[in-house]
Amino acid sequence: GAGVSQSPSNKVTEKGKDVELRCDPISGHTALYWYRQSLGQGLEFLIYFQGNSAPDKSGLPSDRFSAERTGGSVSTLTIQRTQQEDSAVYLCASSRDRDNGYTFGSGTRLTVV
Amino acid sequence: QKEVEQDPGPLSVPEGAIVSLNCTYSNSAFQYFMWYRQYSRKGPELLMYTYSSGNKEDGRFTAQVDKSSKYISLFIRDSQPSDSATYLCASGGSNYKLTFGKGTLLTVNP
Repeated sequence: GAGVSQSPSNKVTEKGKDVELRCDPISGHTALYWYRQSLGQGLEFLIYFQGNSAPDKSGLPSDRFSAERTGGSVSTLTIQRTQQEDSAVYLCASSRDRDNGYTFGSGTRLTVV
Repeated sequence: QKEVEQDPGPLSVPEGAIVSLNCTYSNSAFQYFMWYRQYSRKGPELLMYTYSSGNKEDGRFTAQVDKSSKYISLFIRDSQPSDSATYLCASGGSNYKLTFGKGTLLTVNP
C-alpha cells in the first residue's frame, strides 16, 4: 500500500486479556519499528526489525510484550495479560533505509480497563 | 538527562507569526536530525531531515542544527492555522534507532 497501515485503530480490552496489534509496512521497506506513545512521555522505542529478524528488542517493557515479523512484511505486536499501564498509542513505522527517515502509521490506541 | 530534550510548550501564536521550536541533545554520536509533525490522532509525519550543521529550508520551514552546542531548531514563517499540531524533534546516530523529544504542541490562532 501507499502508507503504513495499522489495525485496529482503537482497542479497548479488559485487564488481563491478551491483545494483538498489526502493522503492514510500506512495500519494499526492510526496516520496521514499533514505538509507544504515552501522554506526556513522548515516543518510546520498543523493537526494531530488519527483515524478519529483530536485532534490538531492548525497548520491550516486560516479557509480556513480544513481536514477530513474517515474510519481511507484516508485523504483530502481542501484549499478554494486559495491565492498565499498557494503555497508550502503539505506533509502527517503516523505512527503506535510515537516510529516508521513518514513515509512521496512524497507530493503535489501546485502552486497558 | 534524557538524550533529547524539547521545550514542552504549549505554544500559542497568532496567524502570520514566526514560530521557533527548539531541542537540545546530549549524545555526541547523533549524526542526523529530523522534525516530525503530528496532528491529533494521527501518526508523526516527517517534515525535515538534515545531517549537517547549518540551515535547511523547505518552503515556510527552516531546520537549523548547531552540532557544537547540540542545539536543533525549527522555524515556521507566516504560520497558518493548519500548522497547529505537535512538533517532535528526533535524532539518530550510526544505528537505525531514532530518539525523540517529547513534543511541543503548537496552536496558530486565526
